[in-house]
Amino acid sequence: RKEVEQDPGPFNVPEGATVAFNCTYSNSASQSFFWYRQDCRKEPKLLMSVYSSGNEDGRFTAQLNRASQYISLLIRDSKLSDSATYLCVVSGGYNKLIFGAGTRLAVHP
Amino acid sequence: DADVTQTPRNRITKTGKRIMLECSQTKGHDRMYWYRQDPGLGLRLIYYSFDVKDINKGEISDGYSVSRQAQAKFSLSLESAIPNQTALYFCATSDHPSGNGYTFGSGTRLTVV
Repeated sequence: RKEVEQDPGPFNVPEGATVAFNCTYSNSASQSFFWYRQDCRKEPKLLMSVYSSGNEDGRFTAQLNRASQYISLLIRDSKLSDSATYLCVVSGGYNKLIFGAGTRLAVHP
Repeated sequence: DADVTQTPRNRITKTGKRIMLECSQTKGHDRMYWYRQDPGLGLRLIYYSFDVKDINKGEISDGYSVSRQAQAKFSLSLESAIPNQTALYFCATSDHPSGNGYTFGSGTRLTVV
């Protein structure tokens, strides 16, 4: 079983749609959680941290459920520029980060 | 200038050749990491270093070696390249602890023929 599992997608949505991505992780001791965005052939970039109480950054909302070991990312009012791969990231042992394989999002006009 | 710089950006090399990928950072972070990315597999950790005198193997270190020449520099070597080492390689840095996530370099696309 992978340490961080994501639905690979792709999710094909029209502009303006709301889309949600889910992620599960296996290490119950994980303390830090993130969503990264990666454009094709580019480096991953931090989109947002995920906090236990849930947090929002503009059109993006992240939720964490420690009991179920589940993380989600909600994108409202999708833009063409949101098209990318979204990586779920969880802290592992010795403060290393474990990356999911990513969920691909394609937003079309 | 980028916070984390990787060289070269692209490289084609032949099977059996030795190749070095370089990474330098201006973030002042102690922690540096080398990952490779393959389609469908996500990022996998090759080696990591928490300071100049600290080197640790990641999940896929076989066939690779690293050198931490200074706080700001961390290089990855393929002693004898093979075709299944064709991948996109990323260097990353973090502060301690890594609660703020990692900063990545732009990547090196390596092809072994």
